[in-house]
Amino acid sequence: DGGITQSPKYLFRKEGQNVTLSCEQNLNHDAMYWYRQDPGQGLRLIYYSQIVNDFQKGDIAEGYSVSREKKESFPLTVTSAQKNPTAFYLCAVTSGRYNEQFFGPGTRLTVL
Amino acid sequence: GENVEQHPSTLSVQEGDSAVIKCTYSDSASNYFPWYKQELGKGPQLIIDIRSNVGEKKDQRIAVTLNKTAKHFSLHITETQPEDSAVYFCAASGGWSGGYNKLIFGAGTRLAVHP
Repeated sequence: DGGITQSPKYLFRKEGQNVTLSCEQNLNHDAMYWYRQDPGQGLRLIYYSQIVNDFQKGDIAEGYSVSREKKESFPLTVTSAQKNPTAFYLCAVTSGRYNEQFFGPGTRLTVL
Repeated sequence: GENVEQHPSTLSVQEGDSAVIKCTYSDSASNYFPWYKQELGKGPQLIIDIRSNVGEKKDQRIAVTLNKTAKHFSLHITETQPEDSAVYFCAASGGWSGGYNKLIFGAGTRLAVHP
């Protein structure tokens, strides 16, 4: 995950509040992704972006929003519409000749 | 829809033994199969991957095998060490489409290696 940073590491939110999770990369890669991870489950895709100013919904986009104003940055906003937001959120980039995906260190979001 | 099943969900071995984790995928168009290791509180780390044009790949103590006919692939860890203890995820991709490499993940296997 060198070159991919996520902040903060831990985030606490009250119900009804929007929060934004940061993902930054210095690898100069075009494609970036957000996943959600719940205990005992695999990773589920929330949103992805292939280029600046373009992004697409993944499998569980409801209650989330993203932006891609810069190549290096792909922030994720968890809105109050997300009914069960407590989870571990992972950002990833696609790298290399064979499009391997590499993950950041993650942000653990807890709703109080 | 696309699905990846992973077994077992937990695996306990003695140090020095081998560990095998198996995954089955549903999309016959899948052509890329990575394996990730995730330690507690960290992001998944890519440890090995295989593409559909080969049947086996090795990297030191780890190896992956692929059977495209049966649509399953496996991770083999030999001479396990306590530091191998982690959650392992398999994934399958539908391939490259306009720059998007979608991965479908298995539910994970928690491996415990006992000294």
